[in-house]
Amino acid sequence: DAKTTQPNSMESNEEEPVHLPCNHSTISGTDYIHWYRQLPSQGPEYVIHGLTSNVNNRMASLAIAEDRKSSTLILHRATLRDAAVYYCIGTSGTYKYIFGTGTRLKVLA
Amino acid sequence: KAGVTQTPRYLIKTRGQQVTLSCSPISGHRSVSWYQQTPGQGLQFLFEYFSETQRNKGNFPGRFSGRQFSNSRSEMNVSTLELGDSALYLCASSQDRGPGNTIYFGEGSWLTVV
Repeated sequence: DAKTTQPNSMESNEEEPVHLPCNHSTISGTDYIHWYRQLPSQGPEYVIHGLTSNVNNRMASLAIAEDRKSSTLILHRATLRDAAVYYCIGTSGTYKYIFGTGTRLKVLA
Repeated sequence: KAGVTQTPRYLIKTRGQQVTLSCSPISGHRSVSWYQQTPGQGLQFLFEYFSETQRNKGNFPGRFSGRQFSNSRSEMNVSTLELGDSALYLCASSQDRGPGNTIYFGEGSWLTVV
């Protein structure tokens, strides 16, 4: 599984877009990029995942670099409820996800 | 569709005791994995079960064990509890194991060892 690197923390103003970066330079051709977020006292919540092309769902968008060595999670309009720790994970299967320290997102009202 | 259900949500045990945590996966999901989360070590993989067989194991001592039943439900057990075992234990399930599958986490079981 790929090792990922994320900034420790980021801040955003409410209702503005947020771009959360992730570097995964050791990713292999079969590794998917998954993003999860964890709110205080809760289990991680699935956000989005992709392999090569950009992906959109109701929660967010995922932009994957052409060389697949980095990706960006995009929250189009941050709300206070989006304040959480965001993890990106590179994995080739559902077993043994390796979580890094994630990015703590603070949303300012 | 109900999510991953973990019981109990909170428990307090004494050093030296043992504990069993239970996990009911999302209906139709056949793979169950367990993670430990502590402030110091973050989220760490414990083990993964599929079709009642342990497929992968993380770097934890033998005091940590688990099993999966024919209905995909899973339990994990920690024997001879130590203070350092105090943590949030998370169960996750997925439909299958291959690339592109996604795991979904439960709310976790908070274990405090005193």
